[in-house]
Amino acid sequence: AQSVTQLGSHVSVSEGALVLLRCNYSSSVPPYLFWYVQYPNQGLQLLLKYTSAATLVKGINGFEAEFKKSETSFHLTKPSAHMSDAAEYFCAVSDWKGGGNKLTFGTGTQLKVEL
Amino acid sequence: SQTIHQWPATLVQPVGSPLSLECTVEGTSNPNLYWYRQAAGRGLQLLFYSVGIGQISSEVPQNLSASRPQDRQFILSSKKLLLSDSGFYLCAWSLTGGANTGELFFGEGSRLTVL
Repeated sequence: AQSVTQLGSHVSVSEGALVLLRCNYSSSVPPYLFWYVQYPNQGLQLLLKYTSAATLVKGINGFEAEFKKSETSFHLTKPSAHMSDAAEYFCAVSDWKGGGNKLTFGTGTQLKVEL
Repeated sequence: SQTIHQWPATLVQPVGSPLSLECTVEGTSNPNLYWYRQAAGRGLQLLFYSVGIGQISSEVPQNLSASRPQDRQFILSSKKLLLSDSGFYLCAWSLTGGANTGELFFGEGSRLTVL
């Protein structure tokens, strides 16, 4: 079965600094991978997705992620953090078995941006 | 464009009372539908998914049930709530067939507190 591990439940960066949120996956088939963002008391919004095309994926709000098969990783980065980036971020892998595309999520990383 | 609505947004219920959370998708036909529960520090857990009217798959045994009485309506229910049912419930939908690129689109969530 597919699984996702997010290293670091809390990450703190200064405004303007690099954001790096880590995600490693386990999958028996070529995976589809996703990053979502969640603001307090809201649903999840898709940031970006990898679906076996280009390994470097660009998303909304200046975020990007690189699929590295050899490292089974899909880390999320942003060159310069903004206060509005403070939120919880979830990495997910898609499982297509049994009908429907079920996503398995990591436990999330809370990003704090400090002045 | 497609939209998804969940209600109620917030619910406080006593132990042993019934529950009904409703989710409706607009702007698409025959979507896959999902119910996830989010507990603090535990990421998102898939509870149910549906690939068509009356077709419900349960991912984990629990005190909850789901129904899909219409193509774009998904209902989460319980006959008698437990304290452990407290959490943030998220409804989601995805495209089907060849148009499906893997991602889920989430509603705004329903926060349930069982006292």
